[in-house]
Amino acid sequence: SAVISQKPSRDICQRGTSLTIQCQVDSQVTMMFWYRQQPGQSLTLIATANQGSEATYESGFVIDKFPISRPNLTFSTLTVSNMSPEDSSIYLCSVDKGRGSYEQYFGPGTRLTVT
Amino acid sequence: AQKVTQAQTEISVVEKEDVTLDCVYETRDTTYYLFWYKQPPSGELVFLIRRNSFDEQNEISGRYSWNFQKSTSSFNFTITASQVVDSAVYFCALSEDRDDKIIFGKGTRLHILP
Repeated sequence: SAVISQKPSRDICQRGTSLTIQCQVDSQVTMMFWYRQQPGQSLTLIATANQGSEATYESGFVIDKFPISRPNLTFSTLTVSNMSPEDSSIYLCSVDKGRGSYEQYFGPGTRLTVT
Repeated sequence: AQKVTQAQTEISVVEKEDVTLDCVYETRDTTYYLFWYKQPPSGELVFLIRRNSFDEQNEISGRYSWNFQKSTSSFNFTITASQVVDSAVYFCALSEDRDDKIIFGKGTRLHILP
């Protein structure tokens, strides 16, 4: 398995501000993913982040709102920009151990509340 | 397009009863992967199992068992002799071979009553 940490674990932010969430993995991984889980809902994929290339965003998510960085094989950040109360969610990063494994592990999540 | 349906929104059973969580999926690919994850009240997502489309053999792990049937596009999860600690939200998920992203069902909230 992979050990994944996220910072911060939770935050309360004001409308209009931005928050950057960090995801650190204890081993090198090719693919990292960012998900959003709105209250009481399932997980929705925001984007896929590969090291050395631009993140690939899913329908309904745009780079201006959710910029992602992937500077190396163990780290990624997701920024939630110009926040509104609708952005209140749990944000999770996950990693794939690589083709042939298809075991995807999730970080503990960042619980974001926007007031 | 890929889709995962978990028709049971919420289930409550008394401890020690067996319970089955249903999962039906849709995909156009012949190669795909199915997953079950558990999300306890603490919020973390726990990986339970992955099954690829070429392996229809059922799997048992302790009190957990999974029944994969391609003919009905189902991947059901059974907990035998349930325990209070099994109370959680359980997600079924699907990944197609063309990419590595995982699509989740809406989840089933399981309550095990003492």
